[in-house]
Amino acid sequence: EAGVAQSPRYKIIEKRQSVAFWCNPISGHATLYWYQQILGQGPKLLIQFQNNGVVDDSQLPKDRFSAERLKGVDSTLKIQPAKLEDSAVYLCASSLTGTLGYTFGSGTRLTVV
Amino acid sequence: SQQGEEDPQALSIQEGENATMNCSYKTSINNLQWYRQNSGRGLVHLILIRSNEREKHSGRLRVTLDTSKKSSSLLITASRAADTASYFCATDVGGSEKLVFGKGMKLTVNP
Repeated sequence: EAGVAQSPRYKIIEKRQSVAFWCNPISGHATLYWYQQILGQGPKLLIQFQNNGVVDDSQLPKDRFSAERLKGVDSTLKIQPAKLEDSAVYLCASSLTGTLGYTFGSGTRLTVV
Repeated sequence: SQQGEEDPQALSIQEGENATMNCSYKTSINNLQWYRQNSGRGLVHLILIRSNEREKHSGRLRVTLDTSKKSSSLLITASRAADTASYFCATDVGGSEKLVFGKGMKLTVNP
């Protein structure tokens, strides 16, 4: 089966600019997650979707980050405006059943200068 | 917030040696998983152990779980240079449908 697709692979922007990341999960996976991984740290969950509804966005900095999952399939994560501390790898994952069968995409490496 | 904490944070060994990494967590879980991440790449699932299991094997991997101590260990036997990567433990905190990851451990296997 095809994996979780993410784009772009890399992105460099200046602070205060906006950026968007895209994720296409594995077909049939109802749950989609966005994680932020700062260099040298473990991934931190930003938001969890079940179909097109938000299950958990408690760690999403809502003043600058937004995410949507229209039609319960692919998802976009947006940062506006970006800060230097947003430099990280943004990972998308999807699962069929809860935490079983979690599959990660290759991630988008964001550098804010 | 981080749930798991891997120990040691970095390990350097020679090819052919065994590598052991430990993970401690704080709350009740339904399962604990180990992932590998090569530099700049996505996370790859290695093995899952459920809370009612004590030990599990997969190829050169052996994972143990002690729920009374809230700890797990991952053993990689006969390591290879290709095992060089960062390793993370992840748990479903309180049986939730999301994984919470530890800070990770960097393993270097020297040829």
